[in-house]
Amino acid sequence: GAVVSQHPSWVICKSGTSVKIECRSLDFQATTMFWYRQFPKQSLMLMATSNEGSKATYEQGVEKDKFLINHASLTLSTLTVTSAHPEDSSFYICSARGGLNNEQFFGPGTRLTVL
Amino acid sequence: AQKVTQAQTEISVVEKEDVTLDCVYETRDTTYYLFWYKQPPSGELVFLIRRNSFDEQNEISGRYSWNFQKSTSSFNFTITASQVVDSAVYFCAFSGGYQKVTFGTGTKLQVIP
Repeated sequence: GAVVSQHPSWVICKSGTSVKIECRSLDFQATTMFWYRQFPKQSLMLMATSNEGSKATYEQGVEKDKFLINHASLTLSTLTVTSAHPEDSSFYICSARGGLNNEQFFGPGTRLTVL
Repeated sequence: AQKVTQAQTEISVVEKEDVTLDCVYETRDTTYYLFWYKQPPSGELVFLIRRNSFDEQNEISGRYSWNFQKSTSSFNFTITASQVVDSAVYFCAFSGGYQKVTFGTGTKLQVIP
């Protein structure tokens, strides 16, 4: 199947700093990318949907100024957590939709720990 | 609005037992997709199956089988002869057409040796 990568796979940062997470579709062009967040022992919750070249659409309750999403190309989307705080510690998973059947493929996730 | 319900929070079975994970969905869409994903402790989602709303045939893949019934809006997942490696959290998910994927709350399966 298609491959979606995320970098970094884990990151630890100090409170108040910003962290950027990359999501890449390696062997297909992704017209749409999604960012999910998963807190411990909970389900995946969609944060935002982004289409290449346009602004992301955020789900209710997700601060767009805190979670900056850039979908600059058909193979790359980035999520920047600005001024991260301990409550932002979570598992962030991206997914990319594309390919022959326009399926959605998930990345391996990035574990963010904010001290 | 779409909704996916996995009523079973945690299930424990002894190795070699069969186990069925339940999934019930709600939607007004006529075209949609249903999914099952496995999430082992490492966290990475493992895709298991995608089924579209027009295909109600049950599917078997090795020890895994899926029962899709539109009449009861259910898409249940059965593992036969469970193994310790099957221990994970399993998510049922829904997508209306080419829209976002909505996940259920997950069922944690523990297979005891």
